[in-house]
Amino acid sequence: EVQLLESGGGLVQPGGSLRLSCAASGFTYSNYAMTWVRQAPGKGLEWVSSISGSADSAYQADSVKGRFTISRDRSKNSLYLQMNSLRAEDTAVYFCAKHPVAHVGHAPIDSWGQGTLVTVSS
Amino acid sequence: EIVMTQSPATLSVSPGERATLSCRASQSFSSGLAWYQQKPGQAPRLLIYGASTRATGIPARFSGSGSGTEFTLTISSLQSEDFAVYYCQQYNNWPPFTFGPGTKVDIK
Repeated sequence: EVQLLESGGGLVQPGGSLRLSCAASGFTYSNYAMTWVRQAPGKGLEWVSSISGSADSAYQADSVKGRFTISRDRSKNSLYLQMNSLRAEDTAVYFCAKHPVAHVGHAPIDSWGQGTLVTVSS
Repeated sequence: EIVMTQSPATLSVSPGERATLSCRASQSFSSGLAWYQQKPGQAPRLLIYGASTRATGIPARFSGSGSGTEFTLTISSLQSEDFAVYYCQQYNNWPPFTFGPGTKVDIK
């Protein structure tokens, strides 16, 4: 059974940094592309960033480009999101998600974690 | 960027009735369309991909159709566990992957 467990969320001041982690299990981690999706309180889903199974390609939404960096560690079966220069509008639940293919794109998300809440406020 | 819109924003349906949810894309594409269900406090769940293929374990009462700019999710006979928010997402032209704003299906 696929399991994705996010951690690292919390309260941070505007301009601060936070690193989210996602521990993956139940599948061959390096074979699949991974994604972060966020959901602001009471709002819809917003794609944030994706990375290929081999980590040779990564993509970010314009809203986070230059501030957020996605990465993955094959040895630890973990996905990360380094978030810098945080703004109030980054406040959201951040979901770790898996695609059924190795390359980013042209495939849906087939598994989701339960999410971790990031609150940016002074 | 492909912009996704969904209608209606809220759909009130009685248990056992049929529900039809619409999703429209700002640009035409063939089949890179998924539907997700999200219940309060839970993560989304994949229902349909490729516009019309049910994901593993999804009941047959859920069906998807459409191509081009118009897509539809149909729930043939609503069960109590189906009351939730439904999102469409295109993964045909990316980045970015884009979601619709969602349709809330609630009890009439």
